[in-house]
Amino acid sequence: DADVTQTPRNRITKTGKRIMLECSQTKGHDRMYWYRQDPGLGLRLIYYSFDVKDINKGEISDGYSVSRQAQAKFSLSLESAIPNQTALYFCATSDSGTRNQPQHFGDGTRLSIL
Amino acid sequence: GESVGLHLPTLSVQEGDNSIINCAYSNSASDYFIWYKQESGKGPQFIIDIRSNMDKRQGQRVTVLLNKTVKHLSLQIAATQPGDSAVYFCADLLRTALIFGKGTTLSVSS
Repeated sequence: DADVTQTPRNRITKTGKRIMLECSQTKGHDRMYWYRQDPGLGLRLIYYSFDVKDINKGEISDGYSVSRQAQAKFSLSLESAIPNQTALYFCATSDSGTRNQPQHFGDGTRLSIL
Repeated sequence: GESVGLHLPTLSVQEGDNSIINCAYSNSASDYFIWYKQESGKGPQFIIDIRSNMDKRQGQRVTVLLNKTVKHLSLQIAATQPGDSAVYFCADLLRTALIFGKGTTLSVSS
């Protein structure tokens, strides 16, 4: 089983709809992240959480919200989807500590907004 | 602004050759770098990392070199195999966010 699981893997929806993407992890990491990837570009950070009571905006948080329901679960919501939010979305986790640690990614959710 | 870029968008090699993928970064305060491999339909997979107090780090068939003077790092893959075909990203951990380059697509032919 994957350490970082994202659901759904694919979603097609219409403009104006509310959408929730879910992420769960079995790595026991404190830190969780949401990124989006657009064709030909690297990943960009949307939101991140260092523990259950901690939520922080990333580079491109406008139009998105998140909820950290438990250490293992971090969901991303699009309150009113628009076509330019069509992208590949990735959840990632990392361990906490005094030294930087690599982030580990799920296999992504491909979201298309018509 | 911050940027982590790769010199070439594509690299084609023959099976068995050594591959070198390059990356330049702009923030001289960067102190942690990661290389990821992304296969079609999958998320980025951690390959190797290096901290700024090191010049070189080796893994299984991979070596990362860091040149802080010119703000450049490279990923070397020895004896490249068809399974190495993927997009490779370098990333700089800046405070809390990973800053990704745009990626180099490595194609390995038999």
